[in-house]
This record gives sequence, C-alpha cells and structure tokens, in this order.
Amino acid sequence: SQQGEEDPQALSIQEGENATMNCSYKTSINNLQWYRQNSGRGLVHLILIRSNEREKHSGRLRVTLDTSKKSSSLLITASRAADTASYFCATVASGGYQKVTFGTGTKLQVIP
Amino acid sequence: DGGITQSPKYLFRKEGQNVTLSCEQNLNHDAMYWYRQDPGQGLRLIYYSQIVNDFQKGDIAEGYSVSREKKESFPLTVTSAQKNPTAFYLCASSGYRGLAYEQYFGPGTRLTVT
Repeated sequence: SQQGEEDPQALSIQEGENATMNCSYKTSINNLQWYRQNSGRGLVHLILIRSNEREKHSGRLRVTLDTSKKSSSLLITASRAADTASYFCATVASGGYQKVTFGTGTKLQVIP
Repeated sequence: DGGITQSPKYLFRKEGQNVTLSCEQNLNHDAMYWYRQDPGQGLRLIYYSQIVNDFQKGDIAEGYSVSREKKESFPLTVTSAQKNPTAFYLCASSGYRGLAYEQYFGPGTRLTVT
C-alpha cells in the first residue's frame, strides 16, 4: 500500500520562483528520502533526512521533517527550467529490512 | 562506470505471452527491487530480494515471478496471468551511503502488451 501522499499533485511556476511540495505518511519511519524522475526515466536520489533530524540542506534543496505530524516538505529555491520533473518522497520503515515505500509524486513544471 | 542496467528500454508483446525483463547491477549491492509505475502514479513494489537465492513478494506480486541466482542479476518475468501488464517497470538496488540505505534506479523498461 502507498505510504506517502504528495501535495500538490502538480505545480507550475516561473523560473526563479521557489517550489514547495509536501509529503505525508502514516507509520513510523527510520528515514525519509526524496527522489526526482525525469519523464520516462528512472528515479534519482536527491536527499535523505533521518527521523531524528528536522531540517536538511543540499544546494538549492531544503527538506524539513515533522515526525509528530508525519509530514515532510521539499523546497527548491530559485527554480530553473531543468528542475522540471516529478518528485517523489519515499519512506523507509523503522526496524526490519529496508523496505522503501513511495508516494504518488508531485509533477513540477518550471516555465522559462 | 557503476550502475544499474535494464534491457530492453521498450518491449512489445502479445497478450498471453510471458516476457522477462532484465536487470543487472555492478554496485555490489545485496538488495534489489522491482517496481511498477503506471501513468501519473507512484511506484508499487512487485518483488524484492535481500540476498542471493532469496526473494520476497511485494505489494503487487500476482502475475509476476523473479529469480536471484547471482548477486548482480534480478530478472522479472511478467506472466500471462498478470491481468494488466502494460506499464513502466523500474529495477533498483539498495546500498548504504552515509548513514542510511539509498536506492539506485535503472532507466526502466516500458512494456506494452496488446
């Protein structure tokens, strides 16, 4: 069953603007990861945040995690046309093997 | 050049035929996964394998089969029992990086069954 639900489903912004997408999940996690998928391609890992972390940065990416609300957000600052892609959150459950459950994705379009 | 390869990129089959999708990795990862992605949807786990000669069903295993005879290879067979096989299939392996496991994906195989 799908663990993560992303919001919004689709987002269209102008180049230079910030893009924020949100992810909610249902059960306890060990960590949460964000992936990017260009149309018709495989997924590429962007950033990982552990359950005991609240915020993480990587270049123009900023991820927050609120375990009390079971939610995460991905912020892309100063967006570029090349950021156009689908973005997925993925949760890794606590304990047991490393089962990764993906959300439904946010489709981002950055207009030049 | 390390990574995951999937072949073919596009595959067309007639209904009622079994078809096998290839997945090979040279990352020395123990765990490998198969996902199915439908248009506008997220990924759904079909099968996973944590070690050679062992594999487990994921959320949507019906109509699929796998084998894991070698660490590098995890082929997926889409059988004629799969009612709706047309989809984009992604293979992944999992490796430890930093403080946790991350998934590395192949480029995918788009299967069309008519």
